[in-house]
Amino acid sequence: EIVLTQSPGTLSLSPGERATLSCRASQSVSSSYLAWYQQKSGQAPRLLIYGASSRATGIPDRFSGSGSGTDFALTISRLEPEDFAVYYCQQYGSSPSYTFGQGTKLEIK
Amino acid sequence: EVQLVESGGGLVQPGGSLRLSCAASGFTVSYNYLSWVRQAPGKGLEWVSVIYTGGDTYYADSVKGRFTISRDNSKNTLYLQMNSLRGEDTAVYYCAREIAATGTFDYWGQGTLVTVSS
Repeated sequence: EIVLTQSPGTLSLSPGERATLSCRASQSVSSSYLAWYQQKSGQAPRLLIYGASSRATGIPDRFSGSGSGTDFALTISRLEPEDFAVYYCQQYGSSPSYTFGQGTKLEIK
Repeated sequence: EVQLVESGGGLVQPGGSLRLSCAASGFTVSYNYLSWVRQAPGKGLEWVSVIYTGGDTYYADSVKGRFTISRDNSKNTLYLQMNSLRGEDTAVYYCAREIAATGTFDYWGQGTLVTVSS
């Protein structure tokens, strides 16, 4: 089973700053099957990025995804107040298996 | 507009059973891959089960043999029958639609809380 490890666990930044969140897989993951979600307190997750780098419908262009193989990243170019939330990466594999990272909490500094 | 609305959560004793429902609108359940994903209080997301368009079903090891996913095409509704419930099954349960064969969940319900406690 593929394990996804996200870092850092908590990221403290100010609005307007750039955020880079990391997701590392225990073995190679197809980029086609790597996604990122945002979850705000008390809400369901929301799809941000699919296929490692494609933005979902309605997602602002300040969100971007990158990476391949075992190392992936979510970048938020200029943080807006509404971006402070928990972010999860997720991969899909054979069997089938759906695995989430443990999450990165993005908090206001 | 695509919507998923879960119901059926509540308090149940260890060893008990519960059936969750997820009413879908804006799309046809039988034409889509649908999953249940859960989140224990203060924890991360854990995939539970999926049903494919052809009816094939798959489960996480943690629930295999205890949970059963199904759908009613006439009601456009997804279900999760949960038996032999344990304390570690306490979580918010979300239903989610998958972009076919990509493993990516594009729509989620608001979730329903299941608490297993005596």
